[in-house]
Amino acid sequence: SQTIHQWPATLVQPVGSPLSLECTVEGTSNPNLYWYRQAAGRGLQLLFYSVGIGQISSEVPQNLSASRPQDRQFILSSKKLLLSDSGFYLCAFLTGREAFFGQGTRLTVV
Amino acid sequence: QKEVEQDPGPLSVPEGAIVSLNCTYSNSAFQYFMWYRQYSRKGPELLMYTYSSGNKEDGRFTAQVDKSSKYISLFIRDSQPSDSATYLCAMSAGDSSYKLIFGSGTRLLVRP
Repeated sequence: SQTIHQWPATLVQPVGSPLSLECTVEGTSNPNLYWYRQAAGRGLQLLFYSVGIGQISSEVPQNLSASRPQDRQFILSSKKLLLSDSGFYLCAFLTGREAFFGQGTRLTVV
Repeated sequence: QKEVEQDPGPLSVPEGAIVSLNCTYSNSAFQYFMWYRQYSRKGPELLMYTYSSGNKEDGRFTAQVDKSSKYISLFIRDSQPSDSATYLCAMSAGDSSYKLIFGSGTRLLVRP
């Protein structure tokens, strides 16, 4: 069966520190992968998506970057976090025409 | 104008009520429509998926799509306290990127 793993579940980081969130998918090959951010009480904002290894598309300009070093691995990074980077980060993968989400990482930048 | 508009609620109903959740959209290229349920501090889980105008039923849930009006709905029959969550509509044009564009979510509270 197809599963998605995302970690860590919660993270508290100081302003100016780096960030690395990892997402891995099992049970499927060459999936479309997505990073979303959800602000408190808000919908999901698409940050990055990838249709293959090394292929990253950015949806909004910001302090974050993404990479896909392996087929089923998607990484969200920042060199220096800002307070405005706080939020709930969700990774998702596509199977057929249905997208499934990980359990999310709650990031608080202090 | 946002591509997808969704009433944020909150919507409070008594147990057993019929709930209607709605989204409108502006992009006529959207072909695939989904409803997700999200419990607090959890990732969204897929409830319903449809790609054609009309109704699709799954247990107590019915998804309705009207492409001519650019309007989708989710109906929940015999609502239960366990249905209390945020409901997000999502849609995609179905190109190779298959980007999902989400509504802002409607918070639903079903009172026992």
